[in-house]
Amino acid sequence: DVKVTQSSRYLVKRTGEKVFLECVQDMDHENMFWYRQDPGLGLRLIYFSYDVKMKEKGDIPEGYSVSREKKERFSLILESASTNQTSMYLCASRNDRGRETQYFGPGTRLLVL
Amino acid sequence: GENVEQHPSTLSVQEGDSAVIKCTYSDSASNYFPWYKQELGKGPQLIIDIRSNVGEKKDQRIAVTLNKTAKHFSLHITETQPEDSAVYFCAALDTGTASKLTFGTGTRLQVTL
Repeated sequence: DVKVTQSSRYLVKRTGEKVFLECVQDMDHENMFWYRQDPGLGLRLIYFSYDVKMKEKGDIPEGYSVSREKKERFSLILESASTNQTSMYLCASRNDRGRETQYFGPGTRLLVL
Repeated sequence: GENVEQHPSTLSVQEGDSAVIKCTYSDSASNYFPWYKQELGKGPQLIIDIRSNVGEKKDQRIAVTLNKTAKHFSLHITETQPEDSAVYFCAALDTGTASKLTFGTGTRLQVTL
């Protein structure tokens, strides 16, 4: 059974803190993605990675960075958390063939105070 | 880039009735259209997809239709059941920017008894 796991289900941080969200997949997928989900806005792509050490900006990369040192792990970093980054964060992975199923993790609900 | 619009944002149907969710896309080069279902507290999960070389695809109570000329596709759920209650997202594969999915804003389906 395919599995994408995220390090935390719920996280509370203070403004200005550095925040790390971790994602691990066990399917040997090349592609990994970070989205944020907000009511009425759907899923918006923050960053994605096609392979180890590769990263590409998505639609809303401002205020975020990512790291992919190993194939199975893709980290999202909020360098200095702000209240407008309060959201649900979803990680996904996919085989490197475009028209393939994208598998999502359960999400991390982040609250920035 | 690709733009996907999804309607309605909320939909309430009685158990046993049909539900239809519609999406339009902007990039005529898009060739893959998945639908995801997100249950409460979980990440989105693929329920059905369609590729641009077919007009319709069915899987038990779920069907998806695609009209390439009009650039719209729809999800049809027949004989709805309470477990169909969830948020549904349509998506289109943006072939222009390295195969990333662009999602609609979601439809919250409520099946009432």
